[in-house]
Amino acid sequence: QKEVEQNSGPLSVPEGAIASLNCTYSDRGSQSFFWYRQYSGKSPELIMFIYSNGDKEDGRFTAQLNKASQYVSLLIRDSQPSDSATYLCAVTRSGTSYDKVIFGPGTSLSVIP
Amino acid sequence: DVKVTQSSRYLVKRTGEKVFLECVQDMDHENMFWYRQDPGLGLRLIYFSYDVKMKEKGDIPEGYSVSREKKERFSLILESASTNQTSMYLCASSPLGSAYEQYFGPGTRLTVT
Repeated sequence: QKEVEQNSGPLSVPEGAIASLNCTYSDRGSQSFFWYRQYSGKSPELIMFIYSNGDKEDGRFTAQLNKASQYVSLLIRDSQPSDSATYLCAVTRSGTSYDKVIFGPGTSLSVIP
Repeated sequence: DVKVTQSSRYLVKRTGEKVFLECVQDMDHENMFWYRQDPGLGLRLIYFSYDVKMKEKGDIPEGYSVSREKKERFSLILESASTNQTSMYLCASSPLGSAYEQYFGPGTRLTVT
């Protein structure tokens, strides 16, 4: 089982719709969870992080965490064509001298005008 | 403005060559990282450094070494390049105590023929 799993996509949504990106992780000790956005040909950039169960909102983005189910998601409201990118889920790995961040393979999102 | 630069955007090398990839950050960050990114596999940590002359292996260190002689510079070395090291290489940095908020460089697309 991979440590961090995401649907590779592509996920296509119409402009203005809600895009829902999902991520599951295997390490029950993981404490911190991140979403990075990566435009084609560009490097990843951090857009959201969440540490506690529940929802965290930042503008059009909402991160949701359920540690019991080992599940984290990212909702993008009022999706725009500029949101078209690959979204990388990342979690910390517990039990090491250094909390390494493990990245998932990413989900490709396409927002159709 | 946060800036991480990498010495080359594209690099073509022959099997068996010694390859140096350079990364420089201007943010006075303590932590620096080297990842490779491959389709379907996501970002995988090769090595990281938390201080000058300090380094730790990541998840896939085999075939690579690193050097950090100055705080702002972190080099990745492929001692004898092989075709399976063809990949996108990304450097990142983060401040002390915030290893998760990583700032990435533009990446180096390395092709080994």
